[in-house]
Amino acid sequence: ETGVTQSPTHLIKTRGQQVTLRCSSQSGHNTVSWYQQALGQGPQFIFQYYREEENGRGNFPPRFSGLQFPNYSSELNVNALELDDSALYLCASKRTSGNTDTQYFGPGTRLTVL
Amino acid sequence: AQSVTQPDIHITVSEGASLELRCNYSYGATPYLFWYVQSPGQGLQLLLKYFSGDTLVQGIKGFEAEFKRSQSSFNLRKPSVHWSDAAEYFCAVDEYGGATNKLIFGTGTLLAVQP
Repeated sequence: ETGVTQSPTHLIKTRGQQVTLRCSSQSGHNTVSWYQQALGQGPQFIFQYYREEENGRGNFPPRFSGLQFPNYSSELNVNALELDDSALYLCASKRTSGNTDTQYFGPGTRLTVL
Repeated sequence: AQSVTQPDIHITVSEGASLELRCNYSYGATPYLFWYVQSPGQGLQLLLKYFSGDTLVQGIKGFEAEFKRSQSSFNLRKPSVHWSDAAEYFCAVDEYGGATNKLIFGTGTLLAVQP
């Protein structure tokens, strides 16, 4: 157990809808990252939040957005869902104290877009 | 661009046999390297990591990995595999830029264990 929790576990949406996924970081961790893992692939970096601000982004369109709250929990929002957004969404947290920090992952949210 | 290659998509070993999973990376600076394991429908669990120092690193569950700069490799090994080791294994490099730690993952190696 890493102490990183995500909700919900599974979610089914239809194309064009919007979705919000939630992540609670491990105690003491002030940085959270989100990854998308399509079936049969390795995780792909979406973005990272530190002190409630986005400080890094992967190759994802603006309809993927996020928030980090003062208690370091986080949300991933996806607008105008597409079929290709179906994936496992992973949240990872770490305590930023340098450039050798280890990220710890939650169990993920499985999103299916019909 | 940084990248991680795991040449073996699927490997089957017998229980009790030794295991080596290959990982090659492309990264200009000193790499920070990781191995994660993922059981079906689960998140990623950290097995071990290499930042600096001794090139042979020990991890959890009896796994070890060796960093070889000359070969750009970070192969994962276990001397005797248990049935519970069946899972998917991901190698990753930490692309650190500014304040961002971005993990770049390989496509994974699916390990099956025969009785």
